[in-house]
Amino acid sequence: GAGVSQSPRYKVAKRGQDVALRCDPISGHVSLFWYQQALGQGPEFLTYFQNEAQLDKSGLPSDRFFAERPEGSVSTLKIQRTQQEDSAVYLCASSLDRDSRGENTDTQYFGPGTRLTVL
Amino acid sequence: AQSVTQLDSQVPVFEEAPVELRCNYSSSVSVYLFWYVQYPNQGLQLLLKYLSGSTLVKGINGFEAEFNKSQTSFHLRKPSVHLSDTAEYFCAVSLNSGYSTLTFGKGTMLLVSP
Repeated sequence: GAGVSQSPRYKVAKRGQDVALRCDPISGHVSLFWYQQALGQGPEFLTYFQNEAQLDKSGLPSDRFFAERPEGSVSTLKIQRTQQEDSAVYLCASSLDRDSRGENTDTQYFGPGTRLTVL
Repeated sequence: AQSVTQLDSQVPVFEEAPVELRCNYSSSVSVYLFWYVQYPNQGLQLLLKYLSGSTLVKGINGFEAEFNKSQTSFHLRKPSVHLSDTAEYFCAVSLNSGYSTLTFGKGTMLLVSP
């Protein structure tokens, strides 16, 4: 079946521009996560959705970052007035939360990421 | 809060040799443990995970890892590597309750040469 998809794969923005990054999770997955991966680093948590509810946004670095998932499926991460330090790969992941036996699988499936370069 | 330390940023190894990638974690509560692999310009792929039960976990592509609670370690091993195993490997933890986000280490680049 289809995995997590993200678009665009690459985005170049001039400093000060707004950008929107899209994530299509695996169909039926309840949970959706956004991570930011700076060059040479591991991914770092940004925000979490359970269906359409944003339950945790503690990792968003500033109020320029905004995420939504209005219908509990596709999610968009928006960055306003981009800065050079926003340059990174933005990863989206989804998980089922519970498998068919009702057990907490807690496995997150990752998309290929969007590489954002801010000039 | 939990944290993950991957002690080696790069591990060079020859093809068909064994390899161990080290991972230590810190947490005041019980955690789940994961190893992910990232090939160039691709997303993260799950290699294996430890949720509970047997401390020796077998994953895809011939990898395995052993959870050691007393040493708070979850080292990844493979008895014989292939050129195609060249990639970045990330160890991660999550709390074993609720939705729980992943906390990643900085990664270890496995470089397999002929």
